Amino acid sequence: NAGVTQTPKFRVLKTGQSMTLLCAQDMNHEYMYWYRQDPGMGLRLIHYSVGEGTTAKGEVPDGYNVSRLKKQNFLLGLESAAPSQTSVYFCASSQRGAQETQYFGPGTRLLVL
Amino acid sequence: GQNIDQPTEMTATEGAIVQINCTYQTSGFNGLFWYQQHAGEAPTFLSYNVLDGLEEKGRFSSFLSRSKGYSYLLLKELQMKDSASYLCAVRGPLTGANNLFFGTGTRLTVIP
Repeated sequence: NAGVTQTPKFRVLKTGQSMTLLCAQDMNHEYMYWYRQDPGMGLRLIHYSVGEGTTAKGEVPDGYNVSRLKKQNFLLGLESAAPSQTSVYFCASSQRGAQETQYFGPGTRLLVL
Repeated sequence: GQNIDQPTEMTATEGAIVQINCTYQTSGFNGLFWYQQHAGEAPTFLSYNVLDGLEEKGRFSSFLSRSKGYSYLLLKELQMKDSASYLCAVRGPLTGANNLFFGTGTRLTVIP
């Protein structure tokens, strides 16, 4: 039982390049989330999904797109990377109940030059 | 809107007790979570409070007062491995995916 996994662990991009971050969970969770974490800002929600084929915007969605074609996978895309997107990206998943905690992946460190 | 405040940094001595406070103002409240995050790692769940009072779990306890918009995390018998950031997160209205709103975290340093 691997929990939540993320690939890649680290990536360097040039401004304008595109990339996709992959998140996978093996806990059969309904909900999945993408966050970014920046110094002094805390975790901020980018996009989330309540189930396969459904996604919604979070607090800071601009410049990102997501897809959830399979229940266990949640992809985060950057179409044209900008230096402001340099951050650590965390994926998380949870069950449906309000008391359910979110389980986080190990993170992807992205540097945009 | 959501506003969650916690101190940026704290230092405490090994074996001592430390209390990390969190105050919040949210439009709707459905629980408060505390997470621990070691440097370079993922946040991991510590505690959940939805009713007023104290929840005790080993060396860690968490308290909630909904009327005051206030919570604290109490760490007893501090160990060096407790050096980490502690994140307070509030679950707002039960819409979407029961989203959490996070504070900026409190970085705790335990010294010998």
